[in-house]
Amino acid sequence: DAGVIQSPRHEVTEMGQEVTLRCKPISGHNSLFWYRQTMMRGLELLIYFNNNVPIDDSGMPEDRFSAKMPNASFSTLKIQPSEPRDSAVYFCASRTQTGGNYGYTFGSGTRLTVV
Amino acid sequence: GDSVTQMEGPVTLSEEAFLTINCTYTATGYPSLFWYVQYPGEGLQLLLKATKADDKGSNKGFEATYRKETTSFHLEKGSVQVSDSAVYFCALSDPTSGTYKYIFGTGTRLKVLA
Repeated sequence: DAGVIQSPRHEVTEMGQEVTLRCKPISGHNSLFWYRQTMMRGLELLIYFNNNVPIDDSGMPEDRFSAKMPNASFSTLKIQPSEPRDSAVYFCASRTQTGGNYGYTFGSGTRLTVV
Repeated sequence: GDSVTQMEGPVTLSEEAFLTINCTYTATGYPSLFWYVQYPGEGLQLLLKATKADDKGSNKGFEATYRKETTSFHLEKGSVQVSDSAVYFCALSDPTSGTYKYIFGTGTRLKVLA
């Protein structure tokens, strides 16, 4: 099992540009989560999906952020337009939906720098 | 709502010292409790878990006991190593709430000196 795969590992972009982060969850996991980690705010849940359906996007900071999960093996998080304050490490995590006893499996993250 | 509170870091210890990182929680239901570890430049990894009161989770010499009476899940290790230097996150998940999201603490950075 290759684990949760995120790409790219690092992204440097200019303010105003569109940024797309990608995630491939573990096969068979039907819940997917996007988190953002910064020194100031720690780990923040942005959005999560169950069976490809967005369940709670209350953590998405503003309309510039959007996320999709077109199928069970792929999700994207898009920022358009990007701003310097979006600089952070973005993590994707997946887990099985059955019960709350199973931990997440996290990807290695995408370090985003907006200059 | 549900919440997790961890002790402030950083925690700095000498090798072979005893480690305790405190974690307390607030939950209306019957949560499962977790400890995650994050090594530099990596994502979070599940370290151990406990799903009901009095359960003890253990892994790699770390252990934590689910204490319902004190709503705590403190992480302990008898003898830390330099390789244990990382950030540790306490988390809860309450399946009875009908949601599937986890609540994470703010993390505690551990630095172990040789």
